[in-house]
Amino acid sequence: DTQMTQSPSSLSASVGDRVTITCRTSQNIYNFLNWYQQKPGKAPKLLIYAASRLQSGVPSRFSGSGSGPDFTLTISSLQPEDFATYYCQQTYIVPRTFGPGTKVDIK
Amino acid sequence: QVQLQESGPGLVKPSGTLSLTCAVSGDSISSNFWWSWVRQAPGRGLEWIGEVYHSGSTNYNLSLESRITLSVDRSKNQFSLKLTSVTAADTAVYFCARGDMNTFYQMDVWGKGTTVTVSS
Repeated sequence: DTQMTQSPSSLSASVGDRVTITCRTSQNIYNFLNWYQQKPGKAPKLLIYAASRLQSGVPSRFSGSGSGPDFTLTISSLQPEDFATYYCQQTYIVPRTFGPGTKVDIK
Repeated sequence: QVQLQESGPGLVKPSGTLSLTCAVSGDSISSNFWWSWVRQAPGRGLEWIGEVYHSGSTNYNLSLESRITLSVDRSKNQFSLKLTSVTAADTAVYFCARGDMNTFYQMDVWGKGTTVTVSS
C-alpha cells in the first residue's frame, strides 16, 4: 500500500492566518493527490484534486501544490468556517489511501 | 445535482453481515465513475474500503478483501456493500462516494454517511 503521512497532525491558528499542511507519499503517485475538508459529523468535502486543481465552488483561498512525494495544501487567509480536519488522498494506486489527517483549530 | 444516500441497519451483531446500500440520484450509475465506500471509526481517520464500476469490476482494500463484496444494481441505480464476519472493529460511519474516472479518480460527491455499530 502507498503510505501517506501528513504534518502537522494538528495546529492552532487565528482567523486571517496563512496555514500550510504537508502530505508525503511513500511511492510516486505523479499528481494523483487530492485534499478533503471534514467537519465534525459531516462527510468529507473535496477541495483540491490533481494536486493543484481547485474543485468547483471551493473558495480561492485554498490552493494545492507539489509533486511526488511532497504535496502542500495552503489556506491563504483562514476563515472561521475553515476550522476542520484536512485529509490528503492518493488515487493513483489501489488502495486509494488517505493520510491520517490534520486538525485545524482556533488559537 | 448528484446525490448519494446510504441506507442499512444501524446495528449488526458480532460475526454477522453488514449490508449497506447507496442510492444514486441525479446521475446514472452506468456513468464513467467508480462507486466507492469509505469508513471512519469513532475518533479515527478515513479508510478506503473499495470501489465498484457499473460493469461489476471491483477494487478492494486488501485488509478487507476476504470479507467484502461490492455490487451494482443498475435497475435501481444503486450500489451495495456487504461485509461478513463483523467485529467491534467494524463499528464506523460508512460513506459512499463517487470517484471520477474521467480525471484523477477524485471523490467529488459523497453521501452523508450512516453509522453502523457492531454489538450484541
